[in-house]
Amino acid sequence: DVKVTQSSRYLVKRTGEKVFLECVQDMDHENMFWYRQDPGLGLRLIYFSYDVKMKEKGDIPEGYSVSREKKERFSLILESASTNQTSMYLCASSLWTSEIYEQYFGPGTRLTVT
Amino acid sequence: AQSVAQPEDQVNVAEGNPLTVKCTYSVSGNPYLFWYVQYPNRGLQFLLKYITGDNLVKGSYGFEAEFNKSQTSFHLKKPSALVSDSALYFCAVRDNFNKFYFGSGTKLNVKP
Repeated sequence: DVKVTQSSRYLVKRTGEKVFLECVQDMDHENMFWYRQDPGLGLRLIYFSYDVKMKEKGDIPEGYSVSREKKERFSLILESASTNQTSMYLCASSLWTSEIYEQYFGPGTRLTVT
Repeated sequence: AQSVAQPEDQVNVAEGNPLTVKCTYSVSGNPYLFWYVQYPNRGLQFLLKYITGDNLVKGSYGFEAEFNKSQTSFHLKKPSALVSDSALYFCAVRDNFNKFYFGSGTKLNVKP
């Protein structure tokens, strides 16, 4: 089974702190994604990466950056956390080309910025 | 631009009754369509997908979905709902660049 893990289930940070969210997948997937989930808004794509050191902006990249130094790991960075970044953050991975088209999700990190 | 619409924020159904969760989409090219389920404080779990072929696709936990090209819909269905089906359901479409677009989600409440 594909496994996507995220470093924390719950995180509380102060305004202005630098925050790192880590995601690791164990199935050699090329694509990795970071979403935030807010009630009534569904999932919104922050960044995605289709290869090591490659990244593409999603729909809401402002205030975030990402790092992908190894294929299995995709990190989301909040340079200076703000209260409007309080949200559920979901990481996902998928294969680039395959019969298996779907994404696999981690359990999520609920971030609260106070 | 690709988009997915789930017109119902919430669907209520009695246990044992059939359920439908609606989804319509807009995509250029051939659609790759998906349904995911999310239980409280969990990530999303894949339920089923339509890539090509038969318009009726079957997935996990007895769910199925019907692809209708003319109506650009991909409604999720189950003949007999269970209380344990209560969760948040997301429809999604994938474009040719491996980006996924999700609907806003529909909360399914199955009452005993």
